[in-house]
Amino acid sequence: AQSVTQLDSHVSVSEGTPVLLRCNYSSSYSPSLFWYVQHPNKGLQLLLKYTSAATLVKGINGFEAEFKKSETSFHLTKPSAHMSDAAEYFCVVSETGGGADGLTFGKGTHLIIQP
Amino acid sequence: DTGVSQNPRHKITKRGQNVTFRCDPISEHNRLYWYRQTLGQGPEFLTYFQNEAQLEKSRLLSDRFSAERPKGSFSTLEIQRTEQGDSAMYLCASSFNLGSSYEQYFGPGTRLTVT
Repeated sequence: AQSVTQLDSHVSVSEGTPVLLRCNYSSSYSPSLFWYVQHPNKGLQLLLKYTSAATLVKGINGFEAEFKKSETSFHLTKPSAHMSDAAEYFCVVSETGGGADGLTFGKGTHLIIQP
Repeated sequence: DTGVSQNPRHKITKRGQNVTFRCDPISEHNRLYWYRQTLGQGPEFLTYFQNEAQLEKSRLLSDRFSAERPKGSFSTLEIQRTEQGDSAMYLCASSFNLGSSYEQYFGPGTRLTVT
């Protein structure tokens, strides 16, 4: 069985400072990992994905994440926060690349950007 | 707009009534997924279709829930005898199987309120 733990329910940073959203996963197999973002009243959007290629994954809007198997982590980072980054972020795991069994979502981290 | 669409966007119903939601996936996508998201939680997988075949159902999908995808295009999710606990956002996603990773594209969701 697979699971995801997002270590912080809320993260608050000042505009222009780095962002770190933490995620740990559990999987019986070699997982695929994703980060999705959800803005209010908008659909979930894929930020980036890891599927057993390079362990450092670059996504849209300047976000990146590093897969660390030894730590079972997939933390999301961004060097400099922008006001438009305020949203809910979900770490997601799949044992089948997101196909046959759907995706398993974490509970989400609410990112707040202070002006 | 060629993304995933869902109708209606909002539905208010009285307990005990039946409701039906519709999802139109991206046209060339052969896989379609339903998720449920309650307040403060991440989406939870309900079921998925490959073309018209329903291949996986979560234990969350009680007997009151039924999903169809009759021609392998749009899908409907029906909830019979609604209960207050059914109040949630119902999300649809679609994907096209290419290689070993399947990026799922999400619709905006249907928000159900059972009074």
